[in-house]
Amino acid sequence: DIQMTQSPSSLSASVGDRVTITCRASQSISSYLNWYQQKPGKAPKLLIYAASSLQSGVPSRFSGSGSGTDFTLTISSLQPEDFATYYCQQSYSTPGSFGQGTKLEIK
Amino acid sequence: QVQLQESGPGLVKPSQTLSLTCTVSGGSISSGDYYWSWIRQPPGKGLEWIGYIYYSGSTYYNPSLKSRVTISVDTSKNQFSLKLSSVTAADTAVYYCARDHNGGSTPNYYMDVWGKGTTVTVSS
Repeated sequence: DIQMTQSPSSLSASVGDRVTITCRASQSISSYLNWYQQKPGKAPKLLIYAASSLQSGVPSRFSGSGSGTDFTLTISSLQPEDFATYYCQQSYSTPGSFGQGTKLEIK
Repeated sequence: QVQLQESGPGLVKPSQTLSLTCTVSGGSISSGDYYWSWIRQPPGKGLEWIGYIYYSGSTYYNPSLKSRVTISVDTSKNQFSLKLSSVTAADTAVYYCARDHNGGSTPNYYMDVWGKGTTVTVSS
């Protein structure tokens, strides 16, 4: 199975900050990397698919980049509603493994 | 728009079989554009993909659970179901169903519609 490792595991930031979350795969996954946002008590929400494609309805302050083994999710200007936990997931091979999550908290 | 809703018992005894159903509304489960997945999340932990099914009945299961998992589809009811046998406390989790975009000839799969999740506790 492909292992996905996110960093950092938690992050404190302020409204308006630019934030970057990193996801590393244990082997090359080309661009088959998705990002999800999860708020407490809610289901995950798809933000980015295929590394850099913005899901319909997701604000443009979210962006994704990377290929191979290293990927990033960037939030250009944090908004209050962005404080949540973020997960990456590879779809290159089944099972589609997730990272352990990055909890984004208010500073 | 498409909505998914999980249903089933919230409490299961150890060694018994967990059974959940996901009802799809606002769209057809028989669309070849999607797979239909189950994912779970133990309390305070991350996400684990359990498996998926295609409307034709073809399935793929996470090898870590394969010996205990069965996913089935009922296209007449627009539902798909999960059975997990021989459960233990480690199977206590929120269980989600999700629509998984079919990448076709590429592995471009992503879960774009999720149910709200249902909590299943394994306890005597």
